Amino acid sequence: NAGVTQTPKFQVLKTGQSMTLQCAQDMNHEYMSWYRQDPGMGLRLIHYSVGAGITDQGEVPNGYNVSRSTTEDFPLRLLSAAPSQTSVYFCASSSYRDRANEQYFGPGTRLTVT
Amino acid sequence: AQRVTQPEKLLSVFKGAPVELKCNYSYSGSPELFWYVQYSRQRLQLLLRHISRESIKGFTADLNKGETSFHLKKPFAQEEDSAMYYCALIQGAQKLVFGQGTRLTINP
Repeated sequence: NAGVTQTPKFQVLKTGQSMTLQCAQDMNHEYMSWYRQDPGMGLRLIHYSVGAGITDQGEVPNGYNVSRSTTEDFPLRLLSAAPSQTSVYFCASSSYRDRANEQYFGPGTRLTVT
Repeated sequence: AQRVTQPEKLLSVFKGAPVELKCNYSYSGSPELFWYVQYSRQRLQLLLRHISRESIKGFTADLNKGETSFHLKKPFAQEEDSAMYYCALIQGAQKLVFGQGTRLTINP
C-alpha cells in the first residue's frame, strides 16, 4: 500500500494564479482532510470529507475548494492564490473502523505564493 | 471552543536527561487526546494516544482531567527523539485540533 500520496511536493505560484493540490489514499478510508501547517500555529483544518460526495469546512476554509467524487481522491483547489496561502499542506485519511482513530498523513506539499 | 495549547515552541535537553513536553486542552466532554510526531524529512505520524495508555519509544502521557493536561514524558532522552511534536484532540467526525507544536532538540 502506498498509503496517502500527495502531488506536487513543491509549488511556486504567483498571486492570483489557481492550482489543485492532489491527494489520494489506497486504504479505503472514509474520512479525508486537508490541513495547513504554519510556524507557531500548528496544523489547522481547511476542509474535510466523511465520504464520497460529502465535504465540509474546517477552521480555515476561505480561498480553498474541495470535492470528493471518489473514496480515493480528495483534491484541494486554490481559486486565486494569495501570499497568505504560503504554507505546507498535508492531506490525511482515517477510517471509522479503526478504533484507534489514527489519522494517516501524506508527505506534504510546500507551496509558496509570490 | 476546543483548544490545545503547547506553551513551549522550542525545548532543548541533553541526551540522557528527562524530557517533558507540555500540553493543555480545553474541551467540553470527554476528550480523546493524541501525540503526533514529525521527524526530519518524514511525514507526521501517531506517537501515542491516551486511551491505549501505552509506552511508545519510551514515551508516556497521562491524561489529567483535573488539570486538563496531557504532558508527554520520557525519563532518558535519546538523540533520535529530536523532532517536532504535536498534541491534538479529536473533535467529532475525526477532526483533529492541534496544538502549536514543540520542536524538541536533544543535544549530545
